[in-house]
Amino acid sequence: DQQVKQNSPSLSVQEGRISILNCDYTNSMFDYFLWYKKYPAEGPTFLISISSIKDKNEDGRFTVFLNKSAKHLSLHIVPSQPGDSAVYFCAAFDRGSTLGRLYFGRGTQLTVWP
Amino acid sequence: NAGVTQTPKFQVLKTGQSMTLQCAQDMNHNSMYWYRQDPGMGLRLIYYSASEGTTDKGEVPNGYNVSRLNKREFSLRLESAAPSQTSVYFCASTTSSRYGYTFGSGTRLTVV
Repeated sequence: DQQVKQNSPSLSVQEGRISILNCDYTNSMFDYFLWYKKYPAEGPTFLISISSIKDKNEDGRFTVFLNKSAKHLSLHIVPSQPGDSAVYFCAAFDRGSTLGRLYFGRGTQLTVWP
Repeated sequence: NAGVTQTPKFQVLKTGQSMTLQCAQDMNHNSMYWYRQDPGMGLRLIYYSASEGTTDKGEVPNGYNVSRLNKREFSLRLESAAPSQTSVYFCASTTSSRYGYTFGSGTRLTVV
């Protein structure tokens, strides 16, 4: 049963516009969330993260918003650039897990077109 | 700084053959992981090693075995490859899962 869900497999956005990638989770023990970016033929790389004590974290063009009551987070990319075209994975850390592992969503393929 | 190194990058196997995927990290990380990525399925955990000398099953361990050879190296073995194991395999490591993993560049495995 998926504990981290990315319900949109793909998103297409014009260059310069905003990209919004969404992620929902079910486990209330998740207390840290991360976004990874993955280009073809490369491993995922860390993009941005947010602690559950915050509702927003910003890093340049990338902002992550967390709505704990809705168990929802989103990644905003403004402005979007063609180089942002990649698969984006949402991940969550379970503070209650003895393993202390990350749980990943299935990913959203973002395409930014000129 | 190499980070996490995976070998080989590509491999084609015949059904029933065996092989070992190698992973090494040079960041002095305690924990290491093996994931597989399949279209529409995201990243699924196969096995992990929380520290040197320990290994445990993840979500999809059937058909695989692992060895934590030392702190740096964590290998994944397919004893009798099946077409369902065609996938891209990623190794990852961390000192603390809370703050994320460092991933290798992956091994693309095709079983025919």
